This record gives sequence, C-alpha cells and structure tokens, in this order.
Amino acid sequence: QQQVKQSPQSLIVQKGGISIINCAYENTAFDYFPWYQQFPGKGPALLIAIRPDVSEKKEGRFTISFNKSAKQFSLHIMDSQPGDSATYFCAALGGGSNYKLTFGKGTLLTVNP
Amino acid sequence: DAGITQSPRHKVTETGTPVTLRCHQTENHRYMYWYRQDPGHGLRLIHYSYGVKDTDKGEVSDGYSVSRSKTEDFLLTLESATSSQTSVYFCAISDPRTGLETQYFGPGTRLLVL
Repeated sequence: QQQVKQSPQSLIVQKGGISIINCAYENTAFDYFPWYQQFPGKGPALLIAIRPDVSEKKEGRFTISFNKSAKQFSLHIMDSQPGDSATYFCAALGGGSNYKLTFGKGTLLTVNP
Repeated sequence: DAGITQSPRHKVTETGTPVTLRCHQTENHRYMYWYRQDPGHGLRLIHYSYGVKDTDKGEVSDGYSVSRSKTEDFLLTLESATSSQTSVYFCAISDPRTGLETQYFGPGTRLLVL
C-alpha cells in the first residue's frame, strides 16, 4: 500500500518558470511532511518541511503548500534555475512513529537554460 | 553528507555471495537507517537501529540483516545476494537532540549483483 503518492514522475521547466510537484497521503495520523532534494550520485538532502498546523511555508524560492482537508501538499519552486535540476522526494512521518519516513516515488526535475 | 561515510561506494558481486555494506557516522546520532533506492520506488526502509544492539525491520527487510555493535557503525548484510538486490543503498542518521524527524543521508553504495 503506497501511503504517499507523488506526481509527476518527471517535469521539464524553462529557466525562470515555476516548478510544481504534488503529493497526496492517506494516513491522517501523519504530522510532518518534508521534501528532500537529490542530485545525481549524492544522497537525498532535506530541503524544506512543514507541519499540518500551517498551510504554507516558504524558504527562499521554495514553498510548501499544505491542504489538510484534501490530504495533499505540494512543492513550488519559483524562478526555477538549471541548478535546481534534481530528483525531489516528498515524505511523511507520524502515525505512531516519530522517525519512520514514508517516501513518495520521486520527481525528476529538469530546468532548461 | 553530515559526517556519514559509506563503504564500499561501488560493488559488483555474484549471485549467492555474501555482501556487507558499512555505514559510519561521526555525529554520535542514536538512530541509524538503511534504505534502498530503485527507479520507480523511491526510498524504502530496510532496517533501522535505535541504539547499540537495538535494531528492527523496515518495509523491505527480507534477505537482509543488520548489526550495530558501536554507536558509529551500522552494518547491512546480504547473506546470499540475489539480482533483485541490485540497488543503491543509502544510510541515514537522526537523533532526538536535533529532531528525530530530520534524517541526514550518506552518499550511497551502488551494488550490482550479477
């Protein structure tokens, strides 16, 4: 049972555009939602995270939007740059565990110059 | 990579051969994790440890065993490697002092089982 569904699988955006990646979850007990960024040949690195008590969190060009009633959250990358080209994973944590992350399948983002 | 090293970084082995991957951390984090990453599957938890000699299974633990005799080292063993275990393996760490929910990942080990 896939508890976190991520879309799209891949995304191509022009430099300066907005990249949007969506995730949906099933377990209403999840209470922490991080996004990880992974460059080729590297391990994933935490990019930004949100808890369900807020609907939006912004860090620089990266924003998480959270819709608790719809059980959905999304990552928005404003003014996308070629250096943002990477694989992005959403994840969720909670539901009785404060350390077991459930990951989405990932989105390969390509930002063309 | 947050004071985490993995060895070896690349390995080619044959079916039926035992393989041990090592994760070493210098952060004194209590929790350590082993994940595998496969195209179309994202990251899946194999085993984790919440202290020395304290380990438990993740969602894809069949065919794998782990050991943790020191805080800094977490070993993943494939007792008899199969082609389905060809993957990229990542170690991660976290700690209650800095927030268990924040996991830091190592650089990965790419394993090919022929």
